[in-house]
Amino acid sequence: GEDVEQSLFLSVREGDSSVINCTYTDSSSTYLYWYKQEPGAGLQLLTYIFSNMDMKQDQRLTVLLNKKDKHLSLRIADTQTGDSAIYFCAEDTGAGNNRKLIWGLGTSLAVNP
Amino acid sequence: ETGVTQTPRHLVMGMTNKKSLKCEQHLGHNAMYWYKQSAKKPLELMFVYNFKEQTENNSVPSRFSPECPNSSHLFLHLHTLQPEDSALYLCASSPQGATNEKLFFGSGTQLSVL
Repeated sequence: GEDVEQSLFLSVREGDSSVINCTYTDSSSTYLYWYKQEPGAGLQLLTYIFSNMDMKQDQRLTVLLNKKDKHLSLRIADTQTGDSAIYFCAEDTGAGNNRKLIWGLGTSLAVNP
Repeated sequence: ETGVTQTPRHLVMGMTNKKSLKCEQHLGHNAMYWYKQSAKKPLELMFVYNFKEQTENNSVPSRFSPECPNSSHLFLHLHTLQPEDSALYLCASSPQGATNEKLFFGSGTQLSVL
């Protein structure tokens, strides 16, 4: 069945780059999303990439998509303590009434000063 | 006030209680969603409303009853819940109908069922 997998934890030092990885199974996805959840808050859309793109850059965020390997990554440059949060990968699959989001379990990013 | 607002933030209820969760969005969006977030499980979509009409019910038990009186307000009525229903309940809205694109989430209601 459809599945999205992420590693559960990542720890980096402040100022370093963070790379959060995600793999998915449905090759017919249209969009892939990265959401961020800070403690005690809901999810916030960080960025997304359309499935016909390989890369998208938005300030400190770089999204890379490898469709052949069904691999998505989120790179955060110059990671700050405020980036500590859980990052969710989600795949938008299906069409029409069968369109749905498949979510990963989230990667908890800890940024150490 | 802007964004998606959920009340209450925390709720503790017994299995025989009846309570309601409220969600309000000030973004002018047409679609609203209820999600359940439990530890060690992917986010679970419960209900979807598009222009006040329910378009999806993901096999949710009848002890959860949604209500959408208008496109800005969404309720989740709870009765005779079970301890395994304890979770964070998130409301979301999206601007382009119920297409899952660009969801805006509230901060959630942390529910504990005793």
